[in-house]
Amino acid sequence: GQNIDQPTEMTATEGAIVQINCTYQTSGFNGLFWYQQHAGEAPTFLSYNVLDGLEEKGRFSSFLSRSKGYSYLLLKELQMKDSASYLCAALNQAGTALIFGKGTTLSVSS
Amino acid sequence: NAGVMQNPRHLVRRRGQEARLRCSPMKGHSHVYWYRQLPEEGLKFMVYLQKENIIDESGMPKERFSAEFPKEGPSILRIQQVVRGDSAAYFCASSLGVATDTQYFGPGTRLTVL
Repeated sequence: GQNIDQPTEMTATEGAIVQINCTYQTSGFNGLFWYQQHAGEAPTFLSYNVLDGLEEKGRFSSFLSRSKGYSYLLLKELQMKDSASYLCAALNQAGTALIFGKGTTLSVSS
Repeated sequence: NAGVMQNPRHLVRRRGQEARLRCSPMKGHSHVYWYRQLPEEGLKFMVYLQKENIIDESGMPKERFSAEFPKEGPSILRIQQVVRGDSAAYFCASSLGVATDTQYFGPGTRLTVL
C-alpha cells in the first residue's frame, strides 16, 4: 500500500523558520514532491527530491532520506503570504501518478 | 507561456445530469492527469492520459466516470448521472514528459451537485 503522513496544522510568526515533516510508505519510489496550495487555488510546484539530501531554493529547502521514508520542507524568513496548505506527494511505483498527503495548513501571524 | 487551463471554473449540476470538465495542458505538454479533491481530503489521483491513450486509470471510479484526451482539443473528464458525492474540486495537471517530470496544475473546476 501507499501512505503519506504529514501534520494537519502548524502555526508560526513572521520572520521565523518552520519545518514541515512528511513520512511516506510506498511500494516503490520515484521521487518526492512538495506543492503549495492557497485556499481555492491550484497547487503550485515547490520542490522535487529523488536523491538523499537537501535541495535549497531561495527561502524554501526540501530534504529527503529514502532509507527513513522521510522528507521535510523548510521555510525561512516566513512571510504572511506563506500562509497556505503544503502538500507532500510521492510518485507511485509505476511513475504514473502522484500520491498526496492531506496537506499541512500553515498559518503565519504577525 | 500560458499555464494549464481548465473550464468551467465552477459548475452546478442537479443529480442525474452529466458534467463535462475540460483541460488544456501547457503548451508542449502531452501528458495529462486528473485529480479530485474532496472537502478536508487530499488530492486523489484519478487518471493519466497521453494523446489518444489512457495510460493509468486506476483511480477512476468504475462507473459513470470517463476521460479522454483526443488528438486535437482539450482533455475531457466526463461524469454521467452525477450524485451529491461527486461534489468536489477537480484538478487537471500536465507534464512535459513522463510523470517524473514536474506536474503543473490548473486552477480546478469546482463541481457542485444539487
